[in-house]
Amino acid sequence: EAQVTQNPRYLITVTGKKLTVTCSQNMNHEYMSWYRQDPGLGLRQIYYSMNVEVTDKGDVPEGYKVSRKEKRNFPLILESPSPNQTSLYFCASSLLLTTDTQYFGPGTRLTVL
Amino acid sequence: GQNIDQPTEMTATEGAIVQINCTYQTSGFNGLFWYQQHAGEAPTFLSYNVLDGLEEKGRFSSFLSRSKGYSYLLLKELQMKDSASYLCAVTGTASKLTFGTGTRLQVTL
Repeated sequence: EAQVTQNPRYLITVTGKKLTVTCSQNMNHEYMSWYRQDPGLGLRQIYYSMNVEVTDKGDVPEGYKVSRKEKRNFPLILESPSPNQTSLYFCASSLLLTTDTQYFGPGTRLTVL
Repeated sequence: GQNIDQPTEMTATEGAIVQINCTYQTSGFNGLFWYQQHAGEAPTFLSYNVLDGLEEKGRFSSFLSRSKGYSYLLLKELQMKDSASYLCAVTGTASKLTFGTGTRLQVTL
């Protein structure tokens, strides 16, 4: 089954404790991205990747890191989480470009205390 | 930069027709998407417009006017399961996709 998976789905952590949210797709897509979704603000892009070893900042990259060592995986890293990073996070992938349909993962609900 | 506006909330009756509008201002334009998102779930693709005109897909249709920076999503024969948020998203460049804040649609009996 073609899908984007994220882990964990739910996470409660404390300020400053490094965490990684994994994202994997099995559709051989080139383009992957991370979004956060907050009430009243919609989906905002954090980072995106056009291909392996090619990543770039989106609209809200502060406090986040990403890597793209393999085509299928695009982990999101929070080196020192803070309460303002409490949010619902979505990973998405598309075949080539943003003109292709985005396929979203199920979401990760993160709470930073 | 890119700016996308859509109404925050709408209410409509089961069986009726509803139109959700989206206006945008972008530097560059490579297409407009509509996604549906049920509460607590991931967005799912509804439609994509890159040329002016109407695209019809079953009960859902989407319209685009590039000169006016305007799109709408038309939902016919509304069903209770259509209660969801509808997200307008514009791709300005090959690498950039920007979402509006979404329109929450409530379908009532």
